[in-house]
Amino acid sequence: EPEVTQTPSHQVTQMGQEVILRCVPISNHLYFYWYRQILGQKVEFLVSFYNNEISEKSEIFDDQFSVERPDGSNFTLKIRSTKLEDSAMYFCASFVIRGGRSGIQYFGAGTRLSVL
Amino acid sequence: KQEVTQIPAALSVPEGENLVLNCSFTDSAIYNLQWFRQDPGKGLTSLLLIQSSQREQTSGRLNASLDKSSGRSTLYIAASQPGDSATYLCAVIQAAGNKLTFGGGTRVLVKP
Repeated sequence: EPEVTQTPSHQVTQMGQEVILRCVPISNHLYFYWYRQILGQKVEFLVSFYNNEISEKSEIFDDQFSVERPDGSNFTLKIRSTKLEDSAMYFCASFVIRGGRSGIQYFGAGTRLSVL
Repeated sequence: KQEVTQIPAALSVPEGENLVLNCSFTDSAIYNLQWFRQDPGKGLTSLLLIQSSQREQTSGRLNASLDKSSGRSTLYIAASQPGDSATYLCAVIQAAGNKLTFGGGTRVLVKP
């Protein structure tokens, strides 16, 4: 079964450093998402991306965050200057509408970001 | 703003017992609802998707019902096994292509 791939599985960084989290969505999917889950808390939406632009973003997704689809396969989340509170599991998801009906959002295994 | 709640937060049952997990949402104008399984420190595995026009969806020992008007969904897991121990999350989507809004999950422990 096709899957969403995320790298790295664990990223450790110093506060103030830039990090890039990478995702390879399922190949025929058109909608891409980033979510995060702080330890012990709910999964929270960060941003959605469709047709090469951001379609929606949450209040969490401030100027420190950016997303890119640099080529036909990768989808990246960049955090420019990490803070301690950015420590979380970050999930990438992708999705396609089939026959006009909403399909399943498939999630990657996540990248655990630890900011020291 | 959509809010999704899952009660109870944790559940412990002996092996073989049926599991009943509840999910409620405040805005009944949803497009679909998805149930996920999450193992500790791992990603989200989709279990079932129920479209807003459906009342239930089944996959093996799993059955999910949806009552959109009352803002509720229930996940039933028949004849639970220790391998069913995990956190189960429900999430709703308001329109095609939109974000998922998640509940806090129910942590399930099935004791052998």
